[in-house]
Amino acid sequence: RKEVEQDPGPFNVPEGATVAFNCTYSNSASQSFFWYRQDCRKEPKLLMSVYSSGNEDGRFTAQLNRASQYISLLIRDSKLSDSATYLCVVNMYSGGGADGLTFGKGTHLIIQP
Amino acid sequence: EPEVTQTPSHQVTQMGQEVILRCVPISNHLYFYWYRQILGQKVEFLVSFYNNEISEKSEIFDDQFSVERPDGSNFTLKIRSTKLEDSAMYFCASSAGTGVPYNEQFFGPGTRLTVL
Repeated sequence: RKEVEQDPGPFNVPEGATVAFNCTYSNSASQSFFWYRQDCRKEPKLLMSVYSSGNEDGRFTAQLNRASQYISLLIRDSKLSDSATYLCVVNMYSGGGADGLTFGKGTHLIIQP
Repeated sequence: EPEVTQTPSHQVTQMGQEVILRCVPISNHLYFYWYRQILGQKVEFLVSFYNNEISEKSEIFDDQFSVERPDGSNFTLKIRSTKLEDSAMYFCASSAGTGVPYNEQFFGPGTRLTVL
């Protein structure tokens, strides 16, 4: 399996600020892309799928650039509860239902009051 | 909201012993997965399961591992002879396989396996 690369951080950001993460993936044939968040010693929780046209869910915006093979996540008006590790996740294969996901190591975000 | 459940939350075992980790996927989901996360490292795919057979497995999933769906609700991961390096958090996940989006995977809370 090829890799998903992320800046591990930590990103220390004041509450209310906007923060952006990027990740890159190596397999140009990848079909499905996701952002998960993971709190310390907890399971990954799906934040959002990432679509080619970009998508937004409240304060969160995800973008996909297939030509450059990177995915971004923007968090606006950050809250203390946004403090977590953000995992960039790629389905490296056909995008079918049975495919395992490839995870990045995550970017650690700390929102400071 | 439906969720994936896993038992036990923590399992301690001696090296060489067999362990069975249990999962109940979301009830109408068709695809099931096991992942592991060694402390401080990234989440790694082990195996996927569909229609009562393994669909895909990683190089980690060697002959020591097996999966089974013994009944209509449970999905199990067996490690036959545990090694120290099997100590990790094991996550079960499931996905719908139909609808849009069909391939979003939802994770259970994990079983922390400690091999002594």
